[in-house]
Amino acid sequence: DIVMTQGALPNPVPSGESASITCQSSKSLLHSNGKTYLNWYLQRPGQSPQLLIYWMSTRASGVSDRFSGSGSGTDFTLKISSVEAEDVGVYYCQQFLEYPRTFGGGTKLELK
Amino acid sequence: QVQLKESGPGLVQPSETLSLTCTVSGFSLTSNSVHWVRQPPGKGLEWMGIIRSGGSTDYNSALKSRLSISRDTSKSQVFLKMNSLQTEDTAIYYCSTGIWWGQGVMVTVSS
Repeated sequence: DIVMTQGALPNPVPSGESASITCQSSKSLLHSNGKTYLNWYLQRPGQSPQLLIYWMSTRASGVSDRFSGSGSGTDFTLKISSVEAEDVGVYYCQQFLEYPRTFGGGTKLELK
Repeated sequence: QVQLKESGPGLVQPSETLSLTCTVSGFSLTSNSVHWVRQPPGKGLEWMGIIRSGGSTDYNSALKSRLSISRDTSKSQVFLKMNSLQTEDTAIYYCSTGIWWGQGVMVTVSS
């Protein structure tokens, strides 16, 4: 199984500052078709996860352009520019290159 | 409007079988895959399995021996059955298309 490892944030993050969340995969998620099979989700407190980013860098419908995804085949970053109160929650990366799909352990964002 | 809604018993006895239903609307099960994902209290997300638009399935290898996912396309329902439940199976269980998620159903395994 592909193992997904997420880094921690230096919480709390001051409102208006940027935050970067890292994720690493044990196998390259770059497919021969040129696409990278990585999702980012946000789970706000008490809510279901919400898809933010797919194909490593494509924002899902309705997602603020303050969220951006980047990376290589195995190292990925979700950047949140100008953090707001609604960004608080736990962020998860997930690979969808292979089954079983696997999630990272989650990165908690708290606001100062 | 796409919706998914999980339903099932809130409490299951240890060693018994869990049966959950995911009722969907706004899309067809013959055109979209549905995943089951669970989340133990205070912990992260665990992918459990998928039933694809064509009806084939894939499972988390750690759960494969206990887990079965099926569907009734005429009723727009996807089913999860997992046997030999233990306390560590206590979790919120979600069904999802990957983009759209249900609200989840809390299942507690306890005597």
